[in-house]
Amino acid sequence: GENVEQHPSTLSVQEGDSAVIKCTYSDSASNYFPWYKQELGKRPQLIIDIRSNVGEKKDQRIAVTLNKTAKHFSLHITETQPEDSAVYFCAASVQTGANNLFFGTGTRLTVIP
Amino acid sequence: NAGVTQTPKFRILKIGQSMTLQCTQDMNHNYMYWYRQDPGMGLKLIYYSVGAGITDKGEVPNGYNVSRSTTEDFPLRLELAAPSQTSVYFCASTDNMSRGISYGYTFGSGTRLTVV
Repeated sequence: GENVEQHPSTLSVQEGDSAVIKCTYSDSASNYFPWYKQELGKRPQLIIDIRSNVGEKKDQRIAVTLNKTAKHFSLHITETQPEDSAVYFCAASVQTGANNLFFGTGTRLTVIP
Repeated sequence: NAGVTQTPKFRILKIGQSMTLQCTQDMNHNYMYWYRQDPGMGLKLIYYSVGAGITDKGEVPNGYNVSRSTTEDFPLRLELAAPSQTSVYFCASTDNMSRGISYGYTFGSGTRLTVV
């Protein structure tokens, strides 16, 4: 099955700086890569996703890049704010059949005011 | 739209007891999933369903069972609870992938289960 690795496990940045979280995946058939944000005690919420026919996608301060050849994708958050503090999960799936998502182990991001 | 609703939110079980975690969604999603989240870890897939009457095992199905008699409901059954099943359980649903449209999973609020 798919194996998703995520780094780093913790990340602290100063408010206003950028944060980058990286993930690799093992199954070359994976073609859908979402990112979820989970605040303490809350459910994961989708913040951005990308499909394999796209190399980059941006939504305001958040962007995701995908390198299919190297099988890795990254989340970029610019101009970080204290409310960006949360655990971020990457995931990968093949968008046919059951579309099971395989998650990374998460990155705890702390934005220091 | 309530989205995905899970009950209960918290539960303490004794070793060997059984319980059912309830999950219902009102978005007419065909695909539903159960995940468990252990501290400091990602989410692991327990069981999934691609439609009413169809279920299949995920990565960590041992000790659990599911049923899908309706599109809306996808209960997770724990038989003979063990301390290793202490975790936070999330139910999720999504739209039909065959249409090529995906807006990601919608997650329920979770059930925090402790087995003592």
